Amino acid sequence: ETGVTQTPRHLVMGMTNKKSLKCEQHLGHNAMYWYKQSAKKPLELMFVYSLEERVENNSVPSRFSPECPNSSHLFLHLHTLQPEDSALYLCASSQELAFEQFFGPGTRLTVL
Amino acid sequence: GEDVEQSLFLSVREGDSSVINCTYTDSSSTYLYWYKQEPGAGLQLLTYIFSNMDMKQDQRLTVLLNKKDKHLSLRIADTQTGDSAIYFCAESINSGNTGKLIFGQGTTLQVKP
Repeated sequence: ETGVTQTPRHLVMGMTNKKSLKCEQHLGHNAMYWYKQSAKKPLELMFVYSLEERVENNSVPSRFSPECPNSSHLFLHLHTLQPEDSALYLCASSQELAFEQFFGPGTRLTVL
Repeated sequence: GEDVEQSLFLSVREGDSSVINCTYTDSSSTYLYWYKQEPGAGLQLLTYIFSNMDMKQDQRLTVLLNKKDKHLSLRIADTQTGDSAIYFCAESINSGNTGKLIFGQGTTLQVKP
């Protein structure tokens, strides 16, 4: 257990659905991250939040919408996804930016 | 630019030592990390080394840092089948009032019985 939880662990959705991924950290950290991990590709950093403010948005399509209501929770809202968005979505947190990150177990997303 | 490179695959026999290599480009990195990812799981922090150190040992794990060549390695002694996983190195980047980790693409370690 790393202190970072993600729900759901698995999600199958159609291209017209709207769903949300949830991440919660119990470590008292100030920074939270969303990563996308696709087969045979490097880990892709999607969004970074520090003290609930978005500090990085790496050219992610607008069909992915993050939300950080407080320093313990991070959401990724999904709508009108494409099959190529199927991947493992990992959430992480760190005490401060550039400190070691602690990862959740990931949500395995399949878009049909 | 910011780049971290690793070889993609390593196969060893159980009981042998494994050495996973990594090169990075940013000489201002303060910390360098090794993460392990088992199938279907998130990344687990294994160990880290501060940039002013040459070596760090933690049980079966030895991290070597050659700052001049920007080369980092992870040695696993007496490799076990449970060590089969993907290993990621990462460097911390500080830029002004922000910072992040840059990850390599991961090395898949296969341990044969």
